[in-house]
Amino acid sequence: LAKTTQPISMDSYEGQEVNITCSHNNIATNDYITWYQQFPSQGPRFIIQGYKTKVTNEVASLFIPADRKSSTLSLPRVSLSDTAVYYCLVGDGAGGYNKLIFGAGTRLAVHP
Amino acid sequence: GAVVSQHPSWVICKSGTSVKIECRSLDFQATTMFWYRQFPKQSLMLMATSNEGSKATYEQGVEKDKFLINHASLTLSTLTVTSAHPEDSSFYICSADRGGNTEAFFGQGTRLTVV
Repeated sequence: LAKTTQPISMDSYEGQEVNITCSHNNIATNDYITWYQQFPSQGPRFIIQGYKTKVTNEVASLFIPADRKSSTLSLPRVSLSDTAVYYCLVGDGAGGYNKLIFGAGTRLAVHP
Repeated sequence: GAVVSQHPSWVICKSGTSVKIECRSLDFQATTMFWYRQFPKQSLMLMATSNEGSKATYEQGVEKDKFLINHASLTLSTLTVTSAHPEDSSFYICSADRGGNTEAFFGQGTRLTVV
């Protein structure tokens, strides 16, 4: 399973755009990139998933370059409620087998 | 979206007793579920893969006789912490696989405190 590397922590202010980059140099051809958000004492919550190029949903965008060795989660106009830990994971979701190995994640703190 | 529910949300037990945690997929069938453990300020650590109708697959270093997993139906997996000790106190989280190219769905977690 591909290993991921993310910044340990980030700080931002309300209303700003936050970009969290994740490195996954040995991503396999069948691997998808998925981002989860976790609040204290809660299970992780799915944010977005992609394979290549750009994916956008109502809460975030995911940018994946052509070589797929990294990805960037973009959170537009963050609020205090976006303070959480964000995990980037790669895995073969095509086989319906989401055995996810979590890295350290990025602890995002949004300030007033 | 799909819902995975864990029960209980929190539990306090005495050392030496056993505790059962349930993980249910409420609106889909899950042939595979996963159990994680998370200590404060740390990431989730995968403990085992729970397969419906067969034995669970444990990650290296996880004692299968201490953490008993039963996946008796397509919507229920249970984790039993046997002879619990204070060092077993942790946040236990399950996830369920709906199959196909979809994301995993996580339960809300169970806070276990062993006193």
